[in-house]
Amino acid sequence: DAGITQSPRHKVTETGTPVTLRCHQTENHRYMYWYRQDPGHGLRLIHYSYGVKDTDKGEVSDGYSVSRSKTEDFLLTLESATSSQTSVYFCAIRGGGGERTEAFFGQGTRLTVV
Amino acid sequence: AQSVTQLDSQVPVFEEAPVELRCNYSSSVSVYLFWYVQYPNQGLQLLLKYLSGSTLVKGINGFEAEFNKSQTSFHLRKPSVHISDTAEYFCAVSPIQGAQKLVFGQGTRLTINP
Repeated sequence: DAGITQSPRHKVTETGTPVTLRCHQTENHRYMYWYRQDPGHGLRLIHYSYGVKDTDKGEVSDGYSVSRSKTEDFLLTLESATSSQTSVYFCAIRGGGGERTEAFFGQGTRLTVV
Repeated sequence: AQSVTQLDSQVPVFEEAPVELRCNYSSSVSVYLFWYVQYPNQGLQLLLKYLSGSTLVKGINGFEAEFNKSQTSFHLRKPSVHISDTAEYFCAVSPIQGAQKLVFGQGTRLTINP
């Protein structure tokens, strides 16, 4: 299995509180992604990173920020959690183009905002 | 920008019957194409990918997919399904050049009935 770990795996938080999810990899892959999965919407890209301190927005980035200060860690922060951010969050890593283009996924973090 | 449309949200089939899961994409640039599978309460794993060359791609667990550039489609097929194929299937695309966003479709839930 690809070395990718998400933490925490489950979290319940209150509306208005900040929340940080962590994605850690041991593969030294260049690209890292955060997705949210909701019924009927598939996986929607929140943010992705193409290197240390290099990030870009996805299709549902409002209300989320990210940081990547080291190759191995990609953090997703909800500055002020809302109930609409209740979801399952997946991190993915990817080596690059060509034959290295397969993405590997973490096991997911189930976040509930009450 | 890229987008992916999976034409069926749910597909019920009987065991040992053939199945086709449909995927259409939109992109102004050349793309890589992927199918991922998600078993209940798990992360995603790669079924197969199209990078270049032969338009018929074979993957794990007896699945195959055909890339049709003129119809911008990448449909997934299996000639005979098993109960163990019950899962959610996702089609995804990523540009060959430039920003390496990995964009997913809404998913198709495949249910196998005995």
